[in-house]
Amino acid sequence: LAKTTQPISMDSYEGQEVNITCSHNNIATNDYITWYQQFPSQGPRFIIQGYKTKVTNEVASLFIPADRKSSTLSLPRVSLSDTAVYYCLVGDPNDYKLSFGAGTTVTVRA
Amino acid sequence: SAVISQKPSRDICQRGTSLTIQCQVDSQVTMMFWYRQQPGQSLTLIATANQGSEATYESGFVIDKFPISRPNLTFSTLTVSNMSPEDSSIYLCSVEDRLGGYEQYFGPGTRLTVT
Repeated sequence: LAKTTQPISMDSYEGQEVNITCSHNNIATNDYITWYQQFPSQGPRFIIQGYKTKVTNEVASLFIPADRKSSTLSLPRVSLSDTAVYYCLVGDPNDYKLSFGAGTTVTVRA
Repeated sequence: SAVISQKPSRDICQRGTSLTIQCQVDSQVTMMFWYRQQPGQSLTLIATANQGSEATYESGFVIDKFPISRPNLTFSTLTVSNMSPEDSSIYLCSVEDRLGGYEQYFGPGTRLTVT
């Protein structure tokens, strides 16, 4: 499983865009990039997944450059309720074994 | 998406005892997973439980300590045996998305404190 590196924490204010970059230099050809969100006292929740270029859903956007050695999760116009830990995972979807790194604690302030 | 419930939601146990955690899913799933999240830490996969076969344990986890049952496609249990304070953690179960990929649905977790 490819190792990932992401910032330990990030602070933001309501209404701002939050961008979290994840490094995964040894990503394999079959690996996808997946992001999960975890609120206190809850299990993680799937946010978005991508292989290359850009993926967007109702929650976030995921930007992946051509070399795929990094990716950026973009949360538009965050609110206080977006305060959570965000995990970047890289691996082969057929493996099903999720390997969680340390995650990024995002704190949104009023 | 699958809806997952866990029982108990939390418990305080004496060292040397065992606790069985239940995981119930509202739909049939092939693969279920058990994770541990120690205080302030990330999640670590304990084992994968497929219905009709023995659970597959990750490195550092053994069946004698964490026996798992998977009697049907909607239910699984994880037992934490002969507990010590180091077992104090949140234990979570998850299931895979039927469409594949890396999307899994997690239960709310069971917060275990061993005194």
